[in-house]
Parts: sequence; structure tokens; C-alpha cells
Amino acid sequence: GAVVSQHPSRVICKSGTSVKIECRSLDFQATTMFWYRQFPKKSLMLMATSNEGSKATYEQGVEKDKFLINHASLTLSTLTVTSAHPEDSSFYICSAPDQGTGGVRIHFGNGTRLTVT
Amino acid sequence: AQSVTQLDSQVPVFEEAPVELRCNYSSSVSVYLFWYVQYPNQGLQLLLKYLSGSTLVESINGFEAEFNKSQTSFHLRKPSVHISDTAEYFCAVSAGGGGSNYKLTFGKGTLLTVNP
Repeated sequence: GAVVSQHPSRVICKSGTSVKIECRSLDFQATTMFWYRQFPKKSLMLMATSNEGSKATYEQGVEKDKFLINHASLTLSTLTVTSAHPEDSSFYICSAPDQGTGGVRIHFGNGTRLTVT
Repeated sequence: AQSVTQLDSQVPVFEEAPVELRCNYSSSVSVYLFWYVQYPNQGLQLLLKYLSGSTLVESINGFEAEFNKSQTSFHLRKPSVHISDTAEYFCAVSAGGGGSNYKLTFGKGTLLTVNP
């Protein structure tokens, strides 16, 4: 079963509104989570590293005021797209490394399809 | 910083034929290497990974990949594909060592289409 739960799977919002996407690790704790964005027929681009208890680390070119990240607990990170515009429409995916016995496994959520109208 | 090149954006093959999806990487540090598969409108599923040890890694569904340090490659192979293998395949790399190094750099993906 899924070990990283991402919610919602799809969301449609109007331009100018904000949307929150949740990423939860199930059965393991994640001090670090990662947020990616995938454009149609394109690869995944890392947006930011979410750090529990501290500020997120954003990749170059990613607007931190537009994409707010909060790592509220060891099992939850949220990405809020503020004042969304049509160009923010994309597929957003989170990941979390599970550093349990047997070596690390990097788990991905099932993604969130955001459509801004 | 790391980078990943997937040389083929699309690979069409017939069912039961062998396939190789190519992946080359560049990095100034030791790396972990991954192959992920993505079905339409879904997230990523780990296919296999190389962290250390044996350079040949295998998945449970018949795929294998070999880490070649001298050629900086991690090509994915399957001796006989099925229609159900049709999907997008992503090669990814992260710097070894853990922590924030678990952020991945992805290639642009290869669409494998298996035809009957």
C-alpha cells in the first residue's frame, strides 16, 4: 500500500485563490520531504526541500512567497499555492525518504493535478 | 550538482521483444541511482535502485539495470516486454550520503510503448 499519502489528487480552483496540498508519510517519520512539479510531457523538477522544524529550502527560480511550504510535524508537509494563476496549473508530487532498516527508500505520493481556471 | 540524460524520449517496441532504456548521468560526487515508472495521471513507482554493492540490480517484474561507473550509465533493460509495461520511465540520481541528498534530479523521461 501507499506509504506516502498526498491529498487532494485533483483540484480545480479559480485564479487568485489559494490551494493547499498535503503530503503525509504513513508508518514512518520524515524530517525531510521534497516537492516536485511536473509539466505536461516533461520531467519532474524539484521545487523545494521541506524541513521539519525549520524553513524550507527552495530551488533557484522558485518563488517562496508563492509556494509556501510548512513541515508541521514529522509526518506532514504542506504546499500552499498562493494567488494561483493558470500558469501554476501542473502536476505536483511530494516525496519522503524512509531511512528504515534495509536501507533508504524514497517514496512518492500519487501527485496532485492542479488546474487553475 | 548532478544531471541526468535519457537519450530516447520515446521507445516503441513489440510485445515480447527486448528493450533497453538508456540513462547517463554526471556528478562530481558519488551517487545513488534510481529508475521510476509513471503510469498516466499517477505518481511515481520505484522500479529499482542502486545505492552500493552489486552493480547489477533487478526488479521483481523482470527489469534490470547495471551501474557502470566508467561510462556513467545506468541503462534499464528487460528481455521480454509486455503490453502492461507501457508507461513513462524516469531515471534519477541523488548525491550519496543521505539527508537532503535524497532530493532527486530526474531525466526527461522515456515513454515506452509496447505494441501487440
